Amino acid sequence: DAMVIQNPRYQVTQFGKPVTLSCSQTLNHNVMYWYQQKSSQAPKLLFHYYDKDFNNEADTPDNFQSRRPNTSFCFLDIRSPGLGDAAMYLCATSNFSGTGFRSNQPQHFGDGTRLSIL
Amino acid sequence: AQTVTQSQPEMSVQEAETVTLSCTYDTSESDYYLFWYKQPPSRQMILVIRQEAYKQQNATENRFSVNFQKAAKSFSLKISDSQLGDAAMYFCAYRALWGGSQGNLIFGKGTKLSVKP
Repeated sequence: DAMVIQNPRYQVTQFGKPVTLSCSQTLNHNVMYWYQQKSSQAPKLLFHYYDKDFNNEADTPDNFQSRRPNTSFCFLDIRSPGLGDAAMYLCATSNFSGTGFRSNQPQHFGDGTRLSIL
Repeated sequence: AQTVTQSQPEMSVQEAETVTLSCTYDTSESDYYLFWYKQPPSRQMILVIRQEAYKQQNATENRFSVNFQKAAKSFSLKISDSQLGDAAMYFCAYRALWGGSQGNLIFGKGTKLSVKP
């Protein structure tokens, strides 16, 4: 089945040690999103890629970076994780076509990666 | 800026009964999309139902239906014949139609639904 796959499901890293989370999709969607979800809170958008165009949310810390080497893969890099970065990280995809963004296509989510900081 | 408010942090329903989850939102746009997503514990977030603001008819998906009141900016979710598998966190989400957001979702804080056998 076409899907959004996040690896790993659980990631433990040390304070200040760079970590990379992975997301891949078989849906061939042109938009990929990264959300941070802390315990009992709503997901918060960090950034997204529309094709190769990177769009950062204004309040996303500089510590968070992203790469999208091709349509299928998108990575979230945390350069120097702090204790406050412990969270579930959700990857999602969606598809937009045409000249506008009038698409009712929903976002498809992966299972998430739960990041713990020691 | 758009906001989404879910005023019920937790709800409980008896199996086979009906429950309604509330959601209100604020926007100056006239056309947009609204979604309800379900997130079971430690599992994937999945779409439950969607509503396009320009459609007056309320969306329905099997046991799930919405009451969309555009003037009141209200978008509640009704779950009929509740099942144990409906227990999850439910998020209401707004998505703008135009602009550079490319479909970014704005989520409410969620409502945790428990289903009692």
